[in-house]
Amino acid sequence: AQSVAQPEDQVNVAEGNPLTVKCTYSVSGNPYLFWYVQYPNRGLQFLLKYITGDNLVKGSYGFEAEFNKSQTSFHLKKPSALVSDSALYFCAVRDGELTGGGNKLTFGTGTQLKVEL
Amino acid sequence: GAGVSQTPSNKVTEKGKYVELRCDPISGHTALYWYRQSLGQGPEFLIYFQGTGAADDSGLPNDRFFAVRPEGSVSTLKIQRTERGDSAVYLCASSLTASRASNYGYTFGSGTRLTVV
Repeated sequence: AQSVAQPEDQVNVAEGNPLTVKCTYSVSGNPYLFWYVQYPNRGLQFLLKYITGDNLVKGSYGFEAEFNKSQTSFHLKKPSALVSDSALYFCAVRDGELTGGGNKLTFGTGTQLKVEL
Repeated sequence: GAGVSQTPSNKVTEKGKYVELRCDPISGHTALYWYRQSLGQGPEFLIYFQGTGAADDSGLPNDRFFAVRPEGSVSTLKIQRTERGDSAVYLCASSLTASRASNYGYTFGSGTRLTVV
C-alpha cells in the first residue's frame, strides 16, 4: 500500500519569506514523488517530481523539493514566497516497484498556502 | 486539443438519477485517468485506461460507477442511481503513455463539479 501525509491544513507566510510545505510518504518499494498545485476553479498543475538522482529537485515557478529517504519526507520549498503562490498544494506518491496499474497516484489531503503582504 | 477538457463543468442532479461526465484528453495521449476529489480531500483514483481498455478499475467505489473509452480518446464516466455521497469534483487526467506519467506526471482537466440533491 502507498500513502501520503500532509500534516498542515494551512501554512501562512509573509511575502518575501521562505516557505515550506511538509509531506511524508509510505511505500513498499522506491517512491516516485510529485507535487501539484491547484488554483481555484482550475485543474491540478504539475510542479515537480522525484524519481531518482539528486535529492533536491527543482520545478516550476521557483519551487523545489528535498527528498529525504531516512525521514520518508518530500517537503516543498521556495526561498522567497509571492502572494501569487497562494493556492492549494498536493503531494502525491507512487510505488516505483509496482508494475502495471498505470502509475496511479495516491494524493495527500492538501495544504492551503496563504502568502500575505 | 491544447489541454484536457471536461464537460460539463458543473452538474446538479437529483438523487437517483443517472449522469454522464465527459473527458476529452490531449490529442495523442493514450493513458487516461479518472479521479474523484471530495471536499477537503485529495484526489482519489477511480479508473485508468490504456487505449480503449480499462487497465485498472480498482478505485471505482461500487457497481453504480462505470467508465468507457470506446475509441481510445474521449472517455465517459457514468454514474447510475446517484446518491448524495457521490457529490464531488470528478477529475480527468491524461498522459502520452502510462510510463511517461511516471516521469512527467499527468495533465489534469479542470474537473466536473457534481452535486447530488
